[in-house]
Amino acid sequence: ETGVTQTPRHLVMGMTNKKSLKCEQHLGHNAMYWYKQSAKKPLELMFVYNFKEQTENNSVPSRFSPECPNSSHLFLHLHTLQPEDSALYLCASSQSTGISGNTIYFGEGSWLTVV
Amino acid sequence: GQNIDQPTEMTATEGAIVQINCTYQTSGFNGLFWYQQHAGEAPTFLSYNVLDGLEEKGRFSSFLSRSKGYSYLLLKELQMKDSASYLCAVRGGGATNKLIFGTGTLLAVQP
Repeated sequence: ETGVTQTPRHLVMGMTNKKSLKCEQHLGHNAMYWYKQSAKKPLELMFVYNFKEQTENNSVPSRFSPECPNSSHLFLHLHTLQPEDSALYLCASSQSTGISGNTIYFGEGSWLTVV
Repeated sequence: GQNIDQPTEMTATEGAIVQINCTYQTSGFNGLFWYQQHAGEAPTFLSYNVLDGLEEKGRFSSFLSRSKGYSYLLLKELQMKDSASYLCAVRGGGATNKLIFGTGTLLAVQP
């Protein structure tokens, strides 16, 4: 139990579907992140939120739409995805987006398969 | 460009010592992290180095040389449960908490 909970753990969706991934952190942190983990590739940062405000969009295609209603919850809305978007999507949180002694804690991820 | 290099796979024997190396080239440096990730689970934080030298935490130690752009994770008294992927990540320059990850080293501990 890392204090960061993601649902669903597994999701299979068609290319025309609309689905959402949910993340909740119980650590009292103010910053939340979405990362993508594909086989044989490094974790890629997608989005960063600090106090509910988006501070980073790492050139992510618009078919991925994040939402952060408060500092404890983060969503990733998915629509018209491609098969190459199949990956493990990891949510993470940290105390803030600053650099001073700021460890990032990850959830267990949502395995997404696009068919 | 920014680059983190670590071996793809390593094999070691239960009870032994293994060293996983990581070299990095990044624009700026604000610390290096090691994470452990078991298959199907969350990456979990192991260690953080921002100054040169060795940080020891139980069976795990991590070393950093900023001048060489080099770190290693040392695992002692290996146990079967240490079989996992080990991720090296660098916090680059600037004022934000952005980590650049390597592809990870898959460690297999054999009896």
